[in-house]
Amino acid sequence: DQQVKQNSPSLSVQEGRISILNCDYTNSMFDYFLWYKKYPAEGPTFLISISSIKDKNEDGRFTVFLNKSAKHLSLHIVPSQPGDSAVYFCAASGRGGSQGNLIFGKGTKLSVKP
Amino acid sequence: GAGVSQSPSNKVTEKGKDVELRCDPISGHTALYWYRQSLGQGLEFLIYFQGNSAPDKSGLPSDRFSAERTGGSVSTLTIQRTQQEDSAVYLCASSPTGGVGGYTFGSGTRLTVV
Repeated sequence: DQQVKQNSPSLSVQEGRISILNCDYTNSMFDYFLWYKKYPAEGPTFLISISSIKDKNEDGRFTVFLNKSAKHLSLHIVPSQPGDSAVYFCAASGRGGSQGNLIFGKGTKLSVKP
Repeated sequence: GAGVSQSPSNKVTEKGKDVELRCDPISGHTALYWYRQSLGQGLEFLIYFQGNSAPDKSGLPSDRFSAERTGGSVSTLTIQRTQQEDSAVYLCASSPTGGVGGYTFGSGTRLTVV
């Protein structure tokens, strides 16, 4: 049973518009969440994270929102650029981010069209 | 090194053969992780090393899978008697202390069992 779910396998957005990628989780013990971006034939790269004590974290064009009661988080990219086209993975940890493994979703492929 | 290095980048093997996958983490990183990504799936945790010991090997799918790490550096993942369901991209990541926010992934080894 998947503990981290990304229900949209793909998303297409026009350049300059907002991209919203969604992620749901089932384990209430998760307390640290991350987004990774992956280009073809490369390893995932860390993008942004959020601790469960916050509901929002912003880094430039990227903002992650966490709704603990709904067990839902989302990644907003504004404005979207063609170079943002990649697969985005949501990941969660139950140890406050201090150590140990991550649980990943299946990913959402974002295509940003010029 | 500057990044996490994995070799080989691609490996095709016959069913029933043994394979060894290698990971060179970033120098000084004490934590090392192995994940795999099967087609259409998210990243699946396999094993976590802190130094040379493996406090969490809960993700190894069967006793055909083993991993070791020597000198607090290089790690090898060995799959014995490979099966077609072992086909996947095997990803290695390292982090300075084990904190999940500090993961750096390698580019992976694409294993195909024919």
